[in-house]
Amino acid sequence: AQSVTQLDSHVSVSEGTPVLLRCNYSSSYSPSLFWYVQHPNKGLQLLLKYTSAATLVKGINGFEAEFKKSETSFHLTKPSAHMSDAAEYFCVVSHNTDKLIFGTGTRLQVFP
Amino acid sequence: EAGVAQSPRYKIIEKRQSVAFWCNPISGHATLYWYQQILGQGPKLLIQFQNNGVVDDSQLPKDRFSAERLKGVDSTLKIQPAKLEDSAVYLCASSSRTSGRLETQYFGPGTRLLVL
Repeated sequence: AQSVTQLDSHVSVSEGTPVLLRCNYSSSYSPSLFWYVQHPNKGLQLLLKYTSAATLVKGINGFEAEFKKSETSFHLTKPSAHMSDAAEYFCVVSHNTDKLIFGTGTRLQVFP
Repeated sequence: EAGVAQSPRYKIIEKRQSVAFWCNPISGHATLYWYQQILGQGPKLLIQFQNNGVVDDSQLPKDRFSAERLKGVDSTLKIQPAKLEDSAVYLCASSSRTSGRLETQYFGPGTRLLVL
């Protein structure tokens, strides 16, 4: 069975400092992994996805994530947080099917 | 390109009433999904359509939930009768998947349902 665990329900950072949102996955097969962002009253937006190509994946808005099979992790990072990054972030796993398994989410707060 | 449209955006009903949600996917997208997102949780897939056929409805509570996509475009999700635990955001998504490849799912803004 597939699952993802988002290790932090809330993360707070100051504007201009690095962002780290942690995600561990469980999958019996080679997974596809995604990060989605959800701003208030807006739809989920795909930030980036890993589908067995390069292990370092670059996404939109300066975010990137690294697939580490040995650690079963897919952490999301950004070198410098912006106020507009404040949102809910979801780590998602799929085994090359349409069925997306979402984590419980991490709420990112950015302080000025 | 227009995104996934959903209506209504908000709905408040009393328990045991019925409610319906509407979704219009991105033009040309063959696959449509309905998700339920309970407060504090990630979205959970309720049902997946490929054109007007059901691909996966294993997580749909069929005693009270129903969904249809009659012409392979728009879709409606209905709850009858509603329970308090149905309070959630109902998300619609679509993708252009027509083969075995995994395609990006594009999400609508959701319908927030409150059952009193």
